[in-house]
Amino acid sequence: AQSVTQLDSQVPVFEEAPVELRCNYSSSVSVYLFWYVQYPNQGLQLLLKYLSGSTLVKGINGFEAEFNKSQTSFHLRKPSVHISDTAEYFCAVSDPWGSQGNLIFGKGTKLSVKP
Amino acid sequence: EPEVTQTPSHQVTQMGQEVILRCVPISNHLYFYWYRQILGQKVEFLVSFYNNEISEKSEIFDDQFSVERPDGSNFTLKIRSTKLEDSAMYFCASIGRIGQSNEKLFFGSGTQLSVL
Repeated sequence: AQSVTQLDSQVPVFEEAPVELRCNYSSSVSVYLFWYVQYPNQGLQLLLKYLSGSTLVKGINGFEAEFNKSQTSFHLRKPSVHISDTAEYFCAVSDPWGSQGNLIFGKGTKLSVKP
Repeated sequence: EPEVTQTPSHQVTQMGQEVILRCVPISNHLYFYWYRQILGQKVEFLVSFYNNEISEKSEIFDDQFSVERPDGSNFTLKIRSTKLEDSAMYFCASIGRIGQSNEKLFFGSGTQLSVL
């Protein structure tokens, strides 16, 4: 069975500071990895995904994530955050032979960017 | 960008009542999903639907739940007899094709179901 752990439930940072949101996964097979963002009163929006190839994945809004197989991690980073990045961020995995729609999510990390 | 539309945004019901949550997936998408998120907990997969039948379902999706695509545009989730523990945010999602790196899952903004 697969699982996702997001260790930080809340991450407060100041505007223009760098941020890293941590995600670790557990799986006995290879996985696809995803980061989603949820702004208040909105649905989940895909930030980026890792399917194969380069382990450094760039997404929308200046976010990137690095797949580390040995550490079973897929941490999300942004070098300089904006107030508008305040949202909840979800890491998710799926198996590579099913659809990309059967996702197992982490509990989410609430990013709060302060001026 | 295309959108998945969910109605209503909030639904309040009495325990034991039937509810139907409605979703309009993106028009050329073929795969449809329901997820739910109980307050303070993880987003959980409920069911996937393709070619007018369920392709996968989780343990949560028991006999009280059903899904339907009654016409070419709507995708519904029915809960036959609601329980207090069904209170959650329910998300609909759709994707065009699977196994394609340029495809992505689109989520609706959710229906908040409150069972009293």
